Amino acid sequence: DQQVKQNSPSLSVQEGRISILNCDYTNSMFDYFLWYKKYPAEGPTFLISISSIKDKNEDGRFTVFLNKSAKHLSLHIVPSQPGDSAVYFCAASANTDKLIFGTGTRLQVFP
Amino acid sequence: DAGVTQSPTHLIKTRGQQVTLRCSPKSGHDTVSWYQQALGQGPQFIFQYYEEEERQRGNFPDRFSGHQFPNYSSELNVNALLLGDSALYLCASSLAPDTDTQYFGPGTRLTVL
Repeated sequence: DQQVKQNSPSLSVQEGRISILNCDYTNSMFDYFLWYKKYPAEGPTFLISISSIKDKNEDGRFTVFLNKSAKHLSLHIVPSQPGDSAVYFCAASANTDKLIFGTGTRLQVFP
Repeated sequence: DAGVTQSPTHLIKTRGQQVTLRCSPKSGHDTVSWYQQALGQGPQFIFQYYEEEERQRGNFPDRFSGHQFPNYSSELNVNALLLGDSALYLCASSLAPDTDTQYFGPGTRLTVL
């Protein structure tokens, strides 16, 4: 039972353009959502998070949007840079319970 | 400021053997969680340790056990290894068990032959 789904295994975007990574969840009890970035041979690095009481959180080039009615969140990266090329994981938790991760989306930013 | 460290980086074992992986949390963190990441999958929660006790556990068999030491470092032990245990094992630390944001180490790549 995959409670957190990232349906796009890969995404290719030109440098300077917007990257949009999507994530869907099924558990309505989730109240906190996070995005992690992972480079090869490294552990996931925390990128940005959002509480269920908000619908948007912004940090520099990264913005996360949460649509609770659709059980959907997205990560926007503007402008995309080659250094953003990595695997991005969406994760969720319910009432500070364990993190549930999606399967990841591989983002490639080309010049 | 030292981040989360894990040892060893790589490990090769045969079926039926036992393995111990180690983790030192980020400075100031007292909670350690362990995850298994199989190829092409996201990390799956194994268990979490706080105050030297297992606080939460994911859907993993009893072959997976752990320990947390007074200095907050932690070990993950896996007995009777199976081929399916081959994965990247990630350790994550946080300020407290009720903190959602976790910081991950680079992982230990375990290969079971």
